[in-house]
Amino acid sequence: DTEVTQTPKHLVMGMTNKKSLKCEQHMGHRAMYWYKQKAKKPPELMFVYSYEKLSINESVPSRFSPECPNSSLLNLHLHALQPEDSALYLCASSQAHLQDRGGNEQFFGPGTRLTVL
Amino acid sequence: AQSVSQHNHHVILSEAASLELGCNYSYGGTVNLFWYVQYPGQHLQLLLKYFSGDPLVKGIKGFEAEFIKSKFSFNLRKPSVQWSDTAEYFCAVNARTGRRALTFGSGTRLQVQP
Repeated sequence: DTEVTQTPKHLVMGMTNKKSLKCEQHMGHRAMYWYKQKAKKPPELMFVYSYEKLSINESVPSRFSPECPNSSLLNLHLHALQPEDSALYLCASSQAHLQDRGGNEQFFGPGTRLTVL
Repeated sequence: AQSVSQHNHHVILSEAASLELGCNYSYGGTVNLFWYVQYPGQHLQLLLKYFSGDPLVKGIKGFEAEFIKSKFSFNLRKPSVQWSDTAEYFCAVNARTGRRALTFGSGTRLQVQP
């Protein structure tokens, strides 16, 4: 299984709502990532988890709260978002965040398209 | 910190034309290099990757890329494009030491006309 799954596919929320994005992989990867992608732009790194611990936070506002309950799951909790947070949120995983001989090939999920009203 | 530049923002080709997309990176240390493709409405897929060894790397769907260390370049090529190659192409870099997150270029939108 070389798939990263994300739910939901689409999400519309108001600025006062609380919602969560979910990501799952069963490739035994121990590094997982959240990216944000605006239209016609490259993905921008938000968070990196390595062995279930947060290793990189790219100065993301606290209204985004990541969680890694176990090695297969990654959540992104959303609260009090702004309209400019509307974007495609991508989850990815890789064999290990720390460099090994194989490098850091990341496998991406299909994303959750988020609209904040 | 590493950075990636993709010179061509939008490329329009006819079917059977040859393709070369430029990618240059800026980083003083050793890097891993990737090309990802994003077809319309689909998720990012890895086309090819370079870690070490032969600088000419072959990927899926007839794509190849050449790593030229002296030029800090990793250009993507395909001898004959098809309409189905219409997509957004991203070059990405990952440093081997220090901060190891993936850094993407701005992307090149390829449009292949039948």
